[in-house]
Amino acid sequence: AQSVSQHNHHVILSEAASLELGCNYSYGGTVNLFWYVQYPGQHLQLLLKYFSGDPLVKGIKGFEAEFIKSKFSFNLRKPSVQWSDTAEYFCAVNAWGGSQGNLIFGKGTKLSVKP
Amino acid sequence: NAGVTQTPKFQVLKTGQSMTLQCAQDMNHEYMSWYRQDPGMGLRLIHYSVGAGITDQGEVPNGYNVSRSTTEDFPLRLLSAAPSQTSVYFCASSYRPSGSARGEQFFGPGTRLTVL
Repeated sequence: AQSVSQHNHHVILSEAASLELGCNYSYGGTVNLFWYVQYPGQHLQLLLKYFSGDPLVKGIKGFEAEFIKSKFSFNLRKPSVQWSDTAEYFCAVNAWGGSQGNLIFGKGTKLSVKP
Repeated sequence: NAGVTQTPKFQVLKTGQSMTLQCAQDMNHEYMSWYRQDPGMGLRLIHYSVGAGITDQGEVPNGYNVSRSTTEDFPLRLLSAAPSQTSVYFCASSYRPSGSARGEQFFGPGTRLTVL
């Protein structure tokens, strides 16, 4: 069965620190990859997505992610975090050939940024 | 466009009660789904639909029913509420369930359900 692993449950950083959140998935075929963000009390919003092409994708608010097919990874990065980045981040995978349109989510990483 | 809307925002039920969580989208999306979000568990798929009249089970379907009579609406029914169903429920929709752009889903604001 397909699965998504997010390595860190809770990350605490100071403002201006660099961020990298790990995401690995298990599926040998073609995938579409996503990072969603959930700010406190809000619903999920798409941060960035990878469908094909350049494996380094840029999203909103200065976030980027790199798809490394050989490592089955799609790590999220930001060079300098801000207090407003405090949120929970979810990696998700849509595997071609699987249940139509279904996303498989990781368990999430909570990011706390100290001012 | 209103996007994906959900009602109610909050609900408290007693064990054994039934209720329907409403979800509607105005983007003419074919694909709609229901997730539940629990602390430390991420989002887990309950049921999904790839078009009007077509529904299927997700990862955690027990205790829930769905139907899809129109493209716009995808209600989730709790048949006999249990404390284990205390959760936040999100509805989502996608305009393209297959092809190269599949999987990008738009989420509603959620319904926070407490079952006593």
